[in-house]
Parts: sequence; structure tokens; C-alpha cells
Amino acid sequence: GQNIDQPTEMTATEGAIVQINCTYQTSGFNGLFWYQQHAGEAPTFLSYNVLDGLEEKGRFSSFLSRSKGYSYLLLKELQMKDSASYLCAVLDSNYQLIWGAGTKLIIKP
Amino acid sequence: IAGITQAPTSQILAAGRRMTLRCTQDMRHNAMYWYRQDLGLGLRLIHYSNTAGTTGKGEVPDGYSVSRANTDDFPLTLASAVPSQTSVYFCASSLQGGTGELFFGEGSRLTVL
Repeated sequence: GQNIDQPTEMTATEGAIVQINCTYQTSGFNGLFWYQQHAGEAPTFLSYNVLDGLEEKGRFSSFLSRSKGYSYLLLKELQMKDSASYLCAVLDSNYQLIWGAGTKLIIKP
Repeated sequence: IAGITQAPTSQILAAGRRMTLRCTQDMRHNAMYWYRQDLGLGLRLIHYSNTAGTTGKGEVPDGYSVSRANTDDFPLTLASAVPSQTSVYFCASSLQGGTGELFFGEGSRLTVL
């Protein structure tokens, strides 16, 4: 079956750096996506990786290793507003999105 | 403001009742989706539509139906609600089907008693 694993919850300190990991086992691969979801709100798109390597976008970066079935989202200079759930999703061989359960990130002052 | 509008925002419903969740987008996106989100689980696809006039079943379609009469509207109907359908429902759209950059509505929280 298809599976995406991410930690359930992480805690980090304001101003610090945090890395949220995502491992996947899917039937085929056509890209990996990260979404941010604040409590009670809709998910919003953060990043897309289809080739191996690091994609940087401001304070957020996303890394992909297709051979290892692994990605991470790196958040730098954490701010209180970064407290949210971060969802990892993979586009499989049928171009269907498979979603992880999400990682709840708690930022402490 | 361009985007996706869902209604109602929240609803409490008696089991056995029929319910339609409305979804409208003004971005002229071809593809639209309905997901449910439950605590501890990833988003699960209920139904999707890659273009007006066509629909498809997702991962958890049982007990739900959809229609796509035009580009903008994609209503989700629960013919006879059951308590296991208590969830937060998100409508989403994308420019084309088979892509992963989705735009989500604000969600509809449904409680079936």
C-alpha cells in the first residue's frame, strides 16, 4: 500500500531552526508537496519538489531524495506565526495526491 | 477576491438527513476536489472532477455524490448522513487535474448526530 510518514508533533523555540521529515512509499512518483495549515484554517501550498535537491524560498526550504523516498521541510528564524501543521503529500503514478497525517509544529517563545 | 467559497461553514445534522455542501470557485480552474479531514489522518479524497461534466471517485466515495454541471460549482451531497461522516470537509481546485498545487476553501465542519 501507499504510505507517507511524518512525526505527529514537534516543538521548537522562536528564532531557531526546525526540520520536519517526511518519508514516503508510493506507487510511482510525480512530485512532493508541502502545505501549511493553521488551526481551523485551510491548507495553503508551500513548496513543490520533483528533482533531487534543495529548493529555497525565503525562510523555508524543502529537500528531496527520490532514491531514499525522503523529504524534509526546513524552517529558519522561526516566528510564532509558524505554529501550524505541515502536511507532506506525494503525487503518485496515477497523478493522485497521497497525504501524510501532518506534523503539528509548536513554537515556544 | 478570487478563490473558493464553501457553505455552510458548519452544520449539525441528524442522522438520516440529506445534506449538500456547496463549493464555488472563480479562478476558472478545470479541476475540483472534495476532501475530508479527520484527526490523526491525512486528507482523504472523496470525489474529484477534472473538467466540467466529468467526475471520478476518490479514496472514500461511499455515501457521497457530486455533480459538475459547470466550471465554477462542485456540490457534495450526503444522501443519508451517518455519524461516521462527522468531519471537516474541504473543497479544493487546481488549474488542471493531476497536479499537486491545490487551492482550498475554508472548510465545512459537519457533525452528524
